[in-house]
Amino acid sequence: GQNIDQPTEMTATEGAIVQINCTYQTSGFNGLFWYQQHAGEAPTFLSYNVLDGLEEKGRFSSFLSRSKGYSYLLLKELQMKDSASYLCAVLDSNYQLIWGAGTKLIIKP
Amino acid sequence: IAGITQAPTSQILAAGRRMTLRCTQDMRHNAMYWYRQDLGLGLRLIHYSNTAGTTGKGEVPDGYSVSRANTDDFPLTLASAVPSQTSVYFCASSDARGGGTDTQYFGPGTRLTVL
Repeated sequence: GQNIDQPTEMTATEGAIVQINCTYQTSGFNGLFWYQQHAGEAPTFLSYNVLDGLEEKGRFSSFLSRSKGYSYLLLKELQMKDSASYLCAVLDSNYQLIWGAGTKLIIKP
Repeated sequence: IAGITQAPTSQILAAGRRMTLRCTQDMRHNAMYWYRQDLGLGLRLIHYSNTAGTTGKGEVPDGYSVSRANTDDFPLTLASAVPSQTSVYFCASSDARGGGTDTQYFGPGTRLTVL
């Protein structure tokens, strides 16, 4: 079967750095997405990785290792507004997105 | 402003009633999707459409139907609502030409309660 694993919840301090991990087992791989979802709102696109390595976008970076079925989202200089759920999703061989359950990130002052 | 709109924002529905959730996009995306999101579970695909005139079943299609008469609209119908269909429903669209174009953009969601 297809499976995406992420921690259920993480807590971090304002101004710090946090890494949210995602491991996947899917039938085929055509890319990995990270989305941010604030409570009561729709998911919004953060990043897309299809090649191994690190993609940096301002305070957010996303890393992919296809051989290990592993990705992480790195958030630097955390702000209170970063409190949200972070969803990992993999595009499988049929170009369907398989979603993880999401990681709820709590930022404390 | 380009994007996806959904209606209604929220709805309370008696079990057994018929309900259509509306979704419209103005980005000329060829693919559209309906998901439900329940606490503790990931987004689950109900139905999708790769292009106008075609539809497909997702992971949890039972009790739901869709149509795609044109590029912009993708309504989701619950023929006879049951309490287990209480959920938040998101519509999404993508250009779906492979790779990064498969990025999905989401509507604001419809919160549905079936009593």
